[in-house]
Amino acid sequence: AQSVTQLDSQVPVFEEAPVELRCNYSSSVSVYLFWYVQYPNQGLQLLLKYLSGSTLVKGINGFEAEFNKSQTSFHLRKPSVHISDTAEYFCAVTYNTNAGKSTFGDGTTLTVKP
Amino acid sequence: NAGVTQTPKFQVLKTGQSMTLQCAQDMNHEYMSWYRQDPGMGLRLIHYSVGAGITDQGEVPNGYNVSRSTTEDFPLRLLSAAPSQTSVYFCASRGPTRGSYEQYFGPGTRLTVT
Repeated sequence: AQSVTQLDSQVPVFEEAPVELRCNYSSSVSVYLFWYVQYPNQGLQLLLKYLSGSTLVKGINGFEAEFNKSQTSFHLRKPSVHISDTAEYFCAVTYNTNAGKSTFGDGTTLTVKP
Repeated sequence: NAGVTQTPKFQVLKTGQSMTLQCAQDMNHEYMSWYRQDPGMGLRLIHYSVGAGITDQGEVPNGYNVSRSTTEDFPLRLLSAAPSQTSVYFCASRGPTRGSYEQYFGPGTRLTVT
């Protein structure tokens, strides 16, 4: 069964510091990877996605992620965070089989402190 | 485009009551799904549909029914509400089953069962 592990449930950082949110997934031949962000009392919105091609993908709000097939990881990074980045972040994987269902990680709460 | 809409935003039910959570999308997406979000557990797939007239179970289908009579609508029915169904429910949709895996989420329905 497909699975996604977000290695940190909470990540507190100070404003303007760099941040990395870690995500590992169970191995498969063909995967599509996503990071979504959820602000309080809202639905999820897409930050970035990896479908194929370059392993470094850039998303909205200055976030980027790197697909590492050998380590089955898709870590999210931002070089300098803002207070407004405080939110919950979800990593998700969709396999190119099984009707294309998606599996989500448990989420990482990023708290940016002044 | 309104995107994905959900009604109601909030609902309180007594144990044993039934209700329907509404979901609609105006993007002509084939794939629609229902998730529940519980603290520390990410999003878990309840039911999904790959097109009108086709539905299937996800990870946690017990106590829920769905139908898909049109491309636009995908209602979720709670047959006999239980306190364990207290959760936030999200509906999502995405484009053609093959080749487009980015999901668009509704704003959610917060359900409390007493």
